Amino acid sequence: DTGVSQDPRHKITKRGQNVTFRCDPISEHNRLYWYRQTLGQGPEFLTYFQNEAQLEKSRLLSDRFSAERPKGSFSTLEIQRTEQGDSAMYLCASSSGTSKNIQYFGAGTRLSVL
Amino acid sequence: SQQGEEDPQALSIQEGENATMNCSYKTSINNLQWYRQNSGRGLVHLILIRSNEREKHSGRLRVTLDTSKKSSSLLITASRAADTASYFCATARSDSNYQLIWGAGTKLIIKP
Repeated sequence: DTGVSQDPRHKITKRGQNVTFRCDPISEHNRLYWYRQTLGQGPEFLTYFQNEAQLEKSRLLSDRFSAERPKGSFSTLEIQRTEQGDSAMYLCASSSGTSKNIQYFGAGTRLSVL
Repeated sequence: SQQGEEDPQALSIQEGENATMNCSYKTSINNLQWYRQNSGRGLVHLILIRSNEREKHSGRLRVTLDTSKKSSSLLITASRAADTASYFCATARSDSNYQLIWGAGTKLIIKP
């Protein structure tokens, strides 16, 4: 499969626990994005990487959220001390960096915080 | 904050009819893209229209762009049950070479 893959697909956790999600982008794509999506809404931008550099992080993102992309390949998104309001679908996308900026999405990780 | 606003929020039509969705945006753009999302899945790119284009076709899809009104429409002709999904517009702002700004989407239901 040469598309964007995300793991796990579903995560149920208790409030206060830490969770980590993984994204493997399309191999030749140097740009990687994380989004959060709640029911009935469009994707909400969280953060953006170009290669291994995290170039932008949403101001809406609290310091409980951190993302990495070591070596410019896969990326991880960690949420510390989860809250019920963190329950959402977390989407990863990658793009090749052309001017068109067409993004290719993974199937997402659905997080439920109990 | 979201830039695009889709209209209507939800649309239910009979199979075989045409479906039209609209998107409005606020800033100058390089291009506007439409994506589809099936329930519980990731988004799939459908079609892109550049800021200097007025109309684009791809199969049963027709997209128009009016930069003077900052609006776009997506027409799906001869709808099928498999077209049931949410449709989102995303704008690539002219002052950013990486960020897409997303609308809240139109939920389309095709009744067999």
